[in-house]
Amino acid sequence: IAGITQAPTSQILAAGRRMTLRCTQDMRHNAMYWYRQDLGLGLRLIHYSNTAGTTGKGEVPDGYSVSRANTDDFPLTLASAVPSQTSVYFCASSDEGGSEAFFGQGTRLTVV
Amino acid sequence: DQQVKQNSPSLSVQEGRISILNCDYTNSMFDYFLWYKKYPAEGPTFLISISSIKDKNEDGRFTVFLNKSAKHLSLHIVPSQPGDSAVYFCAASGGNFNKFYFGSGTKLNVKP
Repeated sequence: IAGITQAPTSQILAAGRRMTLRCTQDMRHNAMYWYRQDLGLGLRLIHYSNTAGTTGKGEVPDGYSVSRANTDDFPLTLASAVPSQTSVYFCASSDEGGSEAFFGQGTRLTVV
Repeated sequence: DQQVKQNSPSLSVQEGRISILNCDYTNSMFDYFLWYKKYPAEGPTFLISISSIKDKNEDGRFTVFLNKSAKHLSLHIVPSQPGDSAVYFCAASGGNFNKFYFGSGTKLNVKP
């Protein structure tokens, strides 16, 4: 059972470049999320999706976009990366109206 | 401003003793609270949760206490074990049920 798979595991990206972080889940969860983890700030919600075809903004959405074309995939795109987007990114999913969220292993992104 | 706060960045405890991790929240709409455990280079994993209709939930060595009037919850680990050494995140949701807000985390070190 894979659960949630994120790719790539890590990436060094030049500022100004476009980047898509991939996230796939095989649990048929309706809700999916993207968080970034920064030292001293914990996990902050970037975008979320309650069901396929819908998305919403979280706490720190600026500079990021998402799409939810189907239940399994929830890619996160940085249209033009900036150094402040250097972070560890976690994708997660949960049942609609469910309890805990399940997390992927994370993507470590460095923007230089 | 963060709606979920963990004011202790770190905690050190001797093996066999009790670990108490604290969390405060500001949003009175929160009605579901969770604790996650995170090891380095891994995604957070769900540990225990509590609904606002309860003031205590226990699962083995882990107990979560909720004080709604004080908007405060705590995680007790008894007895603490070296394998419990990790970063612990408090999270809350409510209203829009599928949005989770996280604290900044507390790094627990259990000394053998």
